[in-house]
Amino acid sequence: DVKVTQSSRYLVKRTGEKVFLECVQDMDHENMFWYRQDPGLGLRLIYFSYDVKMKEKGDIPEGYSVSREKKERFSLILESASTNQTSMYLCASSPPGTLLSGANVLTFGAGSRLTVL
Amino acid sequence: RKEVEQDPGPFNVPEGATVAFNCTYSNSASQSFFWYRQDCRKEPKLLMSVYSSGNEDGRFTAQLNRASQYISLLIRDSKLSDSATYLCVVTRGTGNQFYFGTGTSLTVIP
Repeated sequence: DVKVTQSSRYLVKRTGEKVFLECVQDMDHENMFWYRQDPGLGLRLIYFSYDVKMKEKGDIPEGYSVSREKKERFSLILESASTNQTSMYLCASSPPGTLLSGANVLTFGAGSRLTVL
Repeated sequence: RKEVEQDPGPFNVPEGATVAFNCTYSNSASQSFFWYRQDCRKEPKLLMSVYSSGNEDGRFTAQLNRASQYISLLIRDSKLSDSATYLCVVTRGTGNQFYFGTGTSLTVIP
């Protein structure tokens, strides 16, 4: 089975701190994603990556950056955490999608619940 | 307009009931369609893909209507273990961009 591992399940940080959220997948997937999930807003895409050293902005990239130095690892960085970044952060990976292939299924990590005080 | 819209519920149904969830998507270029299940404080997990011809997996039946841009999930003979939030998901572009509904909450009552 595909496994997506997020390094921290729960974090508490202070406003202004730099925060690193790490995600590793073990199935050689090209695509990796970072979402945040908030009540009533659902999952919102922050950044995604199709390949090593490649990144694309999602719907809400402001206040975040990412790093993908190796295929299996995709890191989310909050340069200066703010209280409105308190959320559940979900990492996911998928193989390349092809039209109607059904192969492009997303597999999620267990999530990182971040609280910024 | 949101890319994917779902009725948030909550749906509270007795064990053994049949319940249906609906989802609409706004972009006719959407290509792949899925239902994910998310338990409380857990990550979303794939429940089933949705194919144009409709598909069934045990007590679960998914339907797609491309003309109306509408997806449905039917759960028959509900079990307590079906209690969860059900997320409607579509992709478009190269198939690598996923769009999520906000989810429909289901509670199955003994």
